[in-house]
Amino acid sequence: EVQLLESGGGLVQPGGSLRLSCAASGFTFSSYAMTWFRQTPGKGLEWVSVISGSGSTTFYADSVKGRFTLSRDNSKNTLYLQMNSLRAEDTAVYYCARMGGYCISTSCQTVELRPTDYWGQGTLVTVSS
Amino acid sequence: DIQMTQSPSSLSAAVGDRVTITCQASQDIGNYLNWYQQKPGKAPNLLIYDASNLEAGVPSRFSGSGSETDFTFTISSLQPEDIATYYCQQYDNLPITFGQGTRLEIK
Repeated sequence: EVQLLESGGGLVQPGGSLRLSCAASGFTFSSYAMTWFRQTPGKGLEWVSVISGSGSTTFYADSVKGRFTLSRDNSKNTLYLQMNSLRAEDTAVYYCARMGGYCISTSCQTVELRPTDYWGQGTLVTVSS
Repeated sequence: DIQMTQSPSSLSAAVGDRVTITCQASQDIGNYLNWYQQKPGKAPNLLIYDASNLEAGVPSRFSGSGSETDFTFTISSLQPEDIATYYCQQYDNLPITFGQGTRLEIK
């Protein structure tokens, strides 16, 4: 059974940092691109970042570029989102999700956009003084 | 960015009714369109991928159609457990974008 479990959310002051983790199980983690979304009542669902299966390729939304860094440790089946210089508008529930589509060898170095077929339960990040 | 315009924003229907939600993309996205169901406090759940393909384990009363810029999501016979918010999502290009959601209620 595919499972994604986020952790690391919490309350942080503006300008602060937080690292989210997403522990994956039930599938060959290194063979799938992984992505983060966030959700707020006001702005709805927003894509944040995506990383290739090998971890060599990443893309970011303009709203987080230069502040957030996405990485993965395939030996630990874990995805990380390092969030720096946090702002009030980063307050949201953050979801990690698997991008369907098994990659093999060199194709794991690129990101092929696919439907996001499994999502974690989400972790709440609140940026406030 | 590709804008996804979803309508209606809310919908009230009776059990057994046929329910239709539409989603319009601001440019041609081929069939790179997915539909998700989200219940309160839960993550979105993939129902339909590539515009018309039913995800494994999803009841057949759910269906999708369309291509290029205009897409439709249908529940053929509404059930009480279908009460949720539904979202369309395009993945033709980054950034991946979503419609604003349709909140479905039982009449």
